Amino acid sequence: QVHLEESGGGVVQPGGSLRLSCVASGFTFSQYAMHWVRQAPGKGLEWVAVISYDGRITHYADSVKGRFTISRDNPKNTLSLQMSSLRTEDTAMFYCARDFLPYSDYVGYSEFWGQGTQVTVSS
Amino acid sequence: QSALTQPRSVSGSPGQSVTISCTGTSSDVGGYNYVSWYRHHPGKAPKLLIYDVTKRPSGVPDRFSGSKSVNTASLTISGLQAEDEADYYCCSYAGRSILFGGGTTLTVL
Repeated sequence: QVHLEESGGGVVQPGGSLRLSCVASGFTFSQYAMHWVRQAPGKGLEWVAVISYDGRITHYADSVKGRFTISRDNPKNTLSLQMSSLRTEDTAMFYCARDFLPYSDYVGYSEFWGQGTQVTVSS
Repeated sequence: QSALTQPRSVSGSPGQSVTISCTGTSSDVGGYNYVSWYRHHPGKAPKLLIYDVTKRPSGVPDRFSGSKSVNTASLTISGLQAEDEADYYCCSYAGRSILFGGGTTLTVL
């Protein structure tokens, strides 16, 4: 059974940093691209970043480019999102999600999602 | 990277059909067949309803169907049920990024 569990959320001041993690189980983590998606309060879903199954390719939304870094540790079945220079508008629930096809750079849709971890940027 | 355009809200009575549109450009919706649709209840994980424009994952009833014409994708929900009341999002591959629509709230009257 596929399971994704996010952690690392919390309250941080503007300009601060935070590292989110997503531990995967129930599937061969190293075969799938992984995404971070967020939802700000009262807003819609926003794609944040993706990393290919082998870590070779990373892409980011313009809103986070240069501030966030996505990475993965395949032996530890762990996806990470290092967030720096955080802004109040980064306040959101952050979800990790598994891309649909194995051994694909990515196609962008996900059948499996975690329950999310809340990030609040506030002074 | 602009969000795809969806109507803010749609509504229908139980048993009726509703269609939600999702308009993009030739660089996203019109350029690829990697269009998907999600149902999202706040506080829960989004549920994949449609992928590759028209395909349904295992377990999604055939009341849900997808289509695309040029730069606009559509999700049709037939035989509306009370449990369908939720937020719906379209999503498209856009080359070096993924775009979501702004979301549509479906109200079952």
